[in-house]
Amino acid sequence: AQSVTQLGSHVSVSEGALVLLRCNYSSSVPPYLFWYVQYPNQGLQLLLKYTSAATLVKGINGFEAEFKKSETSFHLTKPSAHMRDAAEYFCAVTPYNNNDMRFGAGTRLTVKP
Amino acid sequence: DADVTQTPRNRITKTGKRIMLECSQTKGHDRMYWYRQDPGLGLRLIYYSFDVKDINKGEISDGYSVSRQAQAKFSLSLESAIPNQTALYFCATSDPMGTDPDTQYFGPGTRLTVL
Repeated sequence: AQSVTQLGSHVSVSEGALVLLRCNYSSSVPPYLFWYVQYPNQGLQLLLKYTSAATLVKGINGFEAEFKKSETSFHLTKPSAHMRDAAEYFCAVTPYNNNDMRFGAGTRLTVKP
Repeated sequence: DADVTQTPRNRITKTGKRIMLECSQTKGHDRMYWYRQDPGLGLRLIYYSFDVKDINKGEISDGYSVSRQAQAKFSLSLESAIPNQTALYFCATSDPMGTDPDTQYFGPGTRLTVL
C-alpha cells in the first residue's frame, strides 16, 4: 500500500522567508501526489497536485512542488512566506485511478512577523 | 452556499450511544468519502462510496458503518461510540468523470467528542 511521510510536524519561518515543507512517499505503482492546506476550523483545500504530467507543479497562493522520482519526494515550497500562510499542510498519495488516498501526519506552519 | 456540508458541526456524546454524522453535497459527484483526523496521524479513510450501490471499507472501518441514501447523501454511523472515536470527521467528494477527477473536495468537518 502507498504511504506518505512528512518530515517535521512543526515548521516556523519569518515573514518573507522561504517555506520548505518536506514530503516523501512510498508507492508500488506510479503515484498521484497532492498537497492540501487546512486553515483553522476549516476543511482541507487543494493547493496543488501531481498526476504524471510536468514534474514541477504550481499551485494556488504562490506554492509549488517538484516531483522527484529518484528521491521519492514531493516537497512544497514558497519563495516568500506571508502571515496568511500559517496553517496545517498535508501531503497525500493515491495510486492512479484509485481513490484510496493516504495522508501524511501534517506539518503545522507558523509564520513570525 | 457550501458545496459539501456536514451536520452536526460539533457533537458531544457518551460511551455506548449511537451517533450518526451526515454529509450532503451539491456538486453532483458520484464518489464520497469519510475520513477521521487525529493529531499527529493526519487523515485516515474510514469508508468510501463510488456510487449509491458501491460502498467500500477504508483503512480504519472497524466500529463504523455507512449509508449512501442518494447520490448527494452519505452518512457515517457509530453504533456504540467509544472514547477513542473522539476525533474530527471529514466528508469529501470527487468526480471521476469530470475535468478534475483526482481531486477530493472536503466538507468543514464534524468535531465528535465521546465521553
